[in-house]
Amino acid sequence: RKEVEQDPGPFNVPEGATVAFNCTYSNSASQSFFWYRQDCRKEPKLLMSVYSSGNEDGRFTAQLNRASQYISLLIRDSKLSDSATYLCVVNRVNYGGSQGNLIFGKGTKLSVKP
Amino acid sequence: DAGVIQSPRHEVTEMGQEVTLRCKPISGHDYLFWYRQTMMRGLELLIYFNNNVPIDDSGMPEDRFSAKMPNASFSTLKIQPSEPRDSAVYFCASSFLPGKDGNTIYFGEGSWLTVV
Repeated sequence: RKEVEQDPGPFNVPEGATVAFNCTYSNSASQSFFWYRQDCRKEPKLLMSVYSSGNEDGRFTAQLNRASQYISLLIRDSKLSDSATYLCVVNRVNYGGSQGNLIFGKGTKLSVKP
Repeated sequence: DAGVIQSPRHEVTEMGQEVTLRCKPISGHDYLFWYRQTMMRGLELLIYFNNNVPIDDSGMPEDRFSAKMPNASFSTLKIQPSEPRDSAVYFCASSFLPGKDGNTIYFGEGSWLTVV
C-alpha cells in the first residue's frame, strides 16, 4: 500500500458545486496532515492544515478520520479559480517515533467550469 | 519576506552534461528538501538536510545525483552525467521541523530541467 493515496481525477464540476476529495494514508502513527494546492506549472502551496477535530477556512473544510486513516477536503460553492491540483500531505514517522519528512500524494485534479 | 529561491528556473542541456541546481532556503529554517516532480511519479523526495547535514538520501535515484549544503543559506543538487529520464521539475523546499506543531514546508518556484 502506498504511503499516501489519492484519486487522480480529474473532477470536472460546474461553478457553485460542492466537491469533496479523499486521501488515505498507510502509517497509523502519522501525526500531521495538510492539503496543498498546485496550479499548473507552479510550485505546491499550503492550502490548509488538517486538525483532529476538523477545521474550516472559508469555503474549505478539512476532516481527519484516524480510525480509517483518511483525510478529506470539501470545497463549497466552487469558483473557477479553484481549478488546480490538490495534494494530500502526511508526515512520515520514522522508526522510533520521531517525526520525519512530509510525504505527498500524487494529487487530485479539479477543473471548475463556467 | 523572501521565499525559497531557486536557480536556474529553466535549463535545457544535452545528455551527458553536468547540471547544477541551486537553492537558497528561507532564512532561519533548519530543514531543506529537494523534491523531483514528474507526471508519472508525482512529487518525490530526493534528499533532505537538517542543520546542513544530510539526513535521508534514500530517494536519490543513483550515483549520478549528489547534493550538498555547505552552509545554512545555500544548497546544490548536481546531476552528472545527465540523462533524458532526468527531465523533470526539481523543487527545493525549506521548513522548521516538519509536522511538529503543524510546521509545514515552503517550496521554491522550481527548476525546470530538460535533458535532450
